[in-house]
Amino acid sequence: DTEVTQTPKHLVMGMTNKKSLKCEQHMGHRAMYWYKQKAKKPPELMFVYSYEKLSINESVPSRFSPECPNSSLLNLHLHALQPEDSALYLCASSRQDYNEQFFGPGTRLTVL
Amino acid sequence: SQQGEEDPQALSIQEGENATMNCSYKTSINNLQWYRQNSGRGLVHLILIRSNEREKHSGRLRVTLDTSKKSSSLLITASRAADTASYFCATDQAGTALIFGKGTTLSVSS
Repeated sequence: DTEVTQTPKHLVMGMTNKKSLKCEQHMGHRAMYWYKQKAKKPPELMFVYSYEKLSINESVPSRFSPECPNSSLLNLHLHALQPEDSALYLCASSRQDYNEQFFGPGTRLTVL
Repeated sequence: SQQGEEDPQALSIQEGENATMNCSYKTSINNLQWYRQNSGRGLVHLILIRSNEREKHSGRLRVTLDTSKKSSSLLITASRAADTASYFCATDQAGTALIFGKGTTLSVSS
């Protein structure tokens, strides 16, 4: 299995909602990443988990809360988001930090 | 801070032509990677070139790296309509995150 899956594909939420994005990989990769991508912009790194421990938090607001329950799963918990948080959220994994990354298809998030 | 900068921002060619995209970066790197992204989808890794390599090939792709000029180029030969996508270079430094450039949007028409 050489695939990174992300659910849901699309998510619409209000500013008071709590929702979660889910990412899963079964390639045995020990590094997993969350990126945020706005239209016509490059992906921006949000979080890095290495061996299930948070190794990088790129000054992301606390309304985004990552979680790595095990080596195959990565969640991104969302609470009290703002309309400007609307974007494509991409999950990726790699064997080691910053080697070839495998990306999921992304979750298109709209905050109303 | 933006590490990679692609040039041109947009490129339109006919099927069968070659497409060349360039990437410049600012600091020393361990490796440079190129990714492709079809509209609104996840990124696909194309090729990784290490700082001690000068050229690398993969199918119709040829990547060069000039560390003295802090630049790289991606050549796609005999382009196809299916190559229409955005292309990003990404660089890393020891102990820091992978940083993506702004990307080149390639349009291949038949």
